[in-house]
Amino acid sequence: DAKTTQPTSMDCAEGRAANLPCNHSTISGNEYVYWYRQIHSQGPQYIIHGLKNNETNEMASLIITEDRKSSTLILPHATLRDTAVYYCIVRVKYNNNDMRFGAGTRLTVKP
Amino acid sequence: DVKVTQSSRYLVKRTGEKVFLECVQDMDHENMFWYRQDPGLGLRLIYFSYDVKMKEKGDIPEGYSVSREKKERFSLILESASTNQTSMYLCASRGQGVYEQYFGPGTRLTVT
Repeated sequence: DAKTTQPTSMDCAEGRAANLPCNHSTISGNEYVYWYRQIHSQGPQYIIHGLKNNETNEMASLIITEDRKSSTLILPHATLRDTAVYYCIVRVKYNNNDMRFGAGTRLTVKP
Repeated sequence: DVKVTQSSRYLVKRTGEKVFLECVQDMDHENMFWYRQDPGLGLRLIYFSYDVKMKEKGDIPEGYSVSREKKERFSLILESASTNQTSMYLCASRGQGVYEQYFGPGTRLTVT
């Protein structure tokens, strides 16, 4: 699986969009980008995933650059409850084995 | 809803004790995982299993073993607990060909 690089921490004002970047310059053609988040004292929670097209669901949007070497998770209107550690993971979709998490980005949403 | 449960939220054990951490999932998932989480290090994969009685080492298997005798249950075993195994332990499961991985609430283990 390709390695990812994320900033250690970020702040965002409540009600504003939170844009969380992820670099994955060694991504291969059949690898997907996944995002999870972990709110304090809970297990990680799936947010969204994509291959090359931008994706949107009720939680967030995922923007993947044309060369697929980086992506951005967007929380359009961040709330205090979005304060969490966000993990970007790159892996083959139907690899039924491991999923490895890095250190992630700690997002703090401030009032 | 998928449910992954872990036997304890908090556990305190003494150095040298044998420790069992149990994980049960109710969605008939083939794949199950054990991670540990430490401040600044993120989640690190200890072991995973893609079928009953099958296991694979993750990144940090030393000092741990696992058991998967039934599809719904995946146990993590610390043969002789040490203080450097004090950590949060997270179990997860995932179905075959499915992208979403479901996590349990975690067990915070303290070894004194």
